[in-house]
Amino acid sequence: QVQLQESGPGLVKPSETLSLTCTVSGGSVTSHYWSWIRQPPGKGLEWIGYIYYSVSSNYNPSLKRRVTMSVDTSRNQFSLNLSSVTAADTAVYYCARHLRAMPGIDFDYWGQGALVTVSS
Amino acid sequence: DIVMTQSPLSLPVTPGEPASISCRSSQSLLYSNGYTYLDWYLQKPGHSPQLLIYLGSNRASGVPDRFSGNGSGTYFTLKISRVEAEDVGVYYCMQALQTPPTFGQGTRLEIK
Repeated sequence: QVQLQESGPGLVKPSETLSLTCTVSGGSVTSHYWSWIRQPPGKGLEWIGYIYYSVSSNYNPSLKRRVTMSVDTSRNQFSLNLSSVTAADTAVYYCARHLRAMPGIDFDYWGQGALVTVSS
Repeated sequence: DIVMTQSPLSLPVTPGEPASISCRSSQSLLYSNGYTYLDWYLQKPGHSPQLLIYLGSNRASGVPDRFSGNGSGTYFTLKISRVEAEDVGVYYCMQALQTPPTFGQGTRLEIK
């Protein structure tokens, strides 16, 4: 059974960088595409971007200039960095696995989510 | 970006009764391979979203057969044949055709 677990600081100061890691168990991080999705409190879902191995990545244009993603195969993890954060970046951040290869993006496994609050 | 619009936004349902949620996309979700890239997700209270339907009408693993998805082009529906108490939550449609994938606003299903 595939399991995903987000980890990282729950509080980040404005203008700093939000960093989260997703640890994959029950499967290999090299075998699928992986995405980050966020949900501000009480609001809907916003896709942040995906990464595949270290071969391919694609970020939401609305966040592109602030986002970087990476994969650590030795730890079976993938990570998200979001720079220059503001209060608008306060959200629950989910990592998710893609059901299959492109084309198409469907998320069949999700982490439990990590709440990140941006505040001084 | 493709805009996804759901209706209704709130759906009170009596257990055992059917329910239906609509979703419209601002452009066709039909790809050149013949598949339609529309997903449905359910986010139960306090939980992460879970995939219910992909490619418009395919139930994800473990999803009960009371859930069905259909539609084509720009108009889609999710139907629950007989609502159960465990179906409570927010349902989202999502276009999976192009990046960025975009979600509808969500439909909150509650039990009467």
